[in-house]
Amino acid sequence: DTGVSQDPRHKITKRGQNVTFRCDPISEHNRLYWYRQTLGQGPEFLTYFQNEAQLEKSRLLSDRFSAERPKGSFSTLEIQRTEQGDSAMYLCASSYQGLNEKLFFGSGTQLSVL
Amino acid sequence: SQKIEQNSEALNIQEGKTATLTCNYTNYSPAYLQWYRQDPGRGPVFLLLIRENEKEKRKERLKVTFDTTLKQSLFHITASQPADSATYLCASPGKGNMLTFGGGTRLMVKP
Repeated sequence: DTGVSQDPRHKITKRGQNVTFRCDPISEHNRLYWYRQTLGQGPEFLTYFQNEAQLEKSRLLSDRFSAERPKGSFSTLEIQRTEQGDSAMYLCASSYQGLNEKLFFGSGTQLSVL
Repeated sequence: SQKIEQNSEALNIQEGKTATLTCNYTNYSPAYLQWYRQDPGRGPVFLLLIRENEKEKRKERLKVTFDTTLKQSLFHITASQPADSATYLCASPGKGNMLTFGGGTRLMVKP
């Protein structure tokens, strides 16, 4: 399977704990995106990498959130001191730089904060 | 910033009929709009892209239109099947390279 891979698929944590998610994009894609989606809503943009550079961050991304893409390949999204409001599906997508490129999404990580 | 509005109410139709979903944008006319399909517990899957200067785009049973006067895109599925039941998302390029998504419309096709 050469699609976008996300791990874990599900994560249950207690409030105040730290969590980390991983995304492996399609290998030839140089752009990587993180989105967050809650039930009944569309995906909301969080952050974007081109190669290893983090070029954009949403105002939704509080100081408790950090994302990395150290070698321009896989990416991690860490949430520190989780809150119940962080419960959501975290989606990763990748694309190849170009005009009007489409996004290829992973299946997401469903986070539940108790 | 760009805002994408889709009908949040589910659309229920009978198998074989044409489903029509609406996407409205509120600010500037985007260079293109994209449509995605999302099944429960899965990530969105790209379906179609229509550019600002294209009035209509087709792919098999799918048709998308783009009306810059109405600030609207319509997404049609002809001869709908129960397997077409899913949530359909409209997306517009926003600031930089990010896509802004609408809230999606859930389509239910009954046999």
